[in-house]
Amino acid sequence: DTGVSQNPRHKITKRGQNVTFRCDPISEHNRLYWYRQTLGQGPEFLTYFQNEAQLEKSRLLSDRFSAERPKGSFSTLEIQRTEQGDSAMYLCASSRGDEKLFFGSGTQLSVL
Amino acid sequence: AQSVTQLDSQVPVFEEAPVELRCNYSSSVSVYLFWYVQYPNQGLQLLLKYLSGSTLVKGINGFEAEFNKSQTSFHLRKPSVHISDTAEYFCAVSYTGNQFYFGTGTSLTVIP
Repeated sequence: DTGVSQNPRHKITKRGQNVTFRCDPISEHNRLYWYRQTLGQGPEFLTYFQNEAQLEKSRLLSDRFSAERPKGSFSTLEIQRTEQGDSAMYLCASSRGDEKLFFGSGTQLSVL
Repeated sequence: AQSVTQLDSQVPVFEEAPVELRCNYSSSVSVYLFWYVQYPNQGLQLLLKYLSGSTLVKGINGFEAEFNKSQTSFHLRKPSVHISDTAEYFCAVSYTGNQFYFGTGTSLTVIP
């Protein structure tokens, strides 16, 4: 069990650029979640996958956000045409389908 | 609306004193409740969870929480805190076992 791995740890980008984050879940976990966390707030649900299927997506997630989990293993979260309001910590979590989430350390995005 | 409320954003407490971190949730027929801890520069870790059964749940590091259905609360307690308990604590709720809603967090600072 190597834990949930997220890359990069930090990303600084200019407004309007596209960014992509990667999450490698714990190997036997079939569920994968993406959350966003801003300063002083708790994690906010973005989307989740069961295996390769994206089962739920937050209504707060704009069309600029897209997530994939092509082979049911790692996942990517892409943000197109970034805005300053996208600046946040993006968290990935995985689970075996029970109620215990294992979180990665997150990717801190700063949009200038 | 489904939500979690953590009324205390910051809780300072002296070392070896007891502490209670409050959490209230929106009522529902069935609910799963969690407390997660986030140490500085680390990912969230599960402290304890309530799924069913006994309303008093014991977790790691000497923490416990009590599920109170009539008051829709799930307060976290520890009888004697240690410096190493300084961290951000998040209460979370799930109504389906699929999507998890987090509170805004309580920053616990243990004073030597």
